[in-house]
Amino acid sequence: EIVMTQSPATLSVSPGERVTLSCRASQTVSSNVAWYQQKPGQAPRLLIYSRSTRATGIPARFSGSGYGTEFTLTISSLQSEDFAVYYCQQYDNWPPITFGQGTRLEIK
Amino acid sequence: EVQLVESGGGLVQPGGSLRLSCAASGFGVSSNFMNWVRQAPGKGLQWVSVIYSGGRAYYADSVKGRFTVSRDNSKNILYLQMNSLRAEDTAVYYCARGGDSAMVNVNWFDPWGQGTLVTVS
Repeated sequence: EIVMTQSPATLSVSPGERVTLSCRASQTVSSNVAWYQQKPGQAPRLLIYSRSTRATGIPARFSGSGYGTEFTLTISSLQSEDFAVYYCQQYDNWPPITFGQGTRLEIK
Repeated sequence: EVQLVESGGGLVQPGGSLRLSCAASGFGVSSNFMNWVRQAPGKGLQWVSVIYSGGRAYYADSVKGRFTVSRDNSKNILYLQMNSLRAEDTAVYYCARGGDSAMVNVNWFDPWGQGTLVTVS
């Protein structure tokens, strides 16, 4: 089973700041990584797939990068609606499909 | 519009059974990977099961032998039959569409349903 490890667990940031979230795979997953955003009481929403492709309707301030075992999600200028929990997911070697434990973005 | 709507959650005693449904619209459940993902209260996401267009299914080790995924193509509904339920199965259960199961490396999840809460107590 591929373990996805996200860091940090919590990030306190101010609106307008640039933020980078990290996700590490326990073995290579090529570019087969997706990122999701989840707000309280809501289902997760797909942000990025295939490492760097934005899903339909996702603003350009969200970008993904990385390959192999190291991946990042960058939000270029945080908006108030971006404060949420973010999960990475690998779909390279499955089953099982695995998620990271999540990074919570909170307002500083 | 592509949409998924789950139903069937509720309170069940340990050892009991429950069947979840996921009604799809805007696409056919038979043409994509269809997944179940759960989230225990205050916890992260855990993949539970997938069914391919051809009917092949896979499960997380924690539910293997107890849960069964199926679908009714004529009704465009995905199901999750859950037997021998345990307290640790308590979670919000989401269905989520993956990619075209005729392709490789496309099982990212979009969209997700709103979720249905299963409480085992």
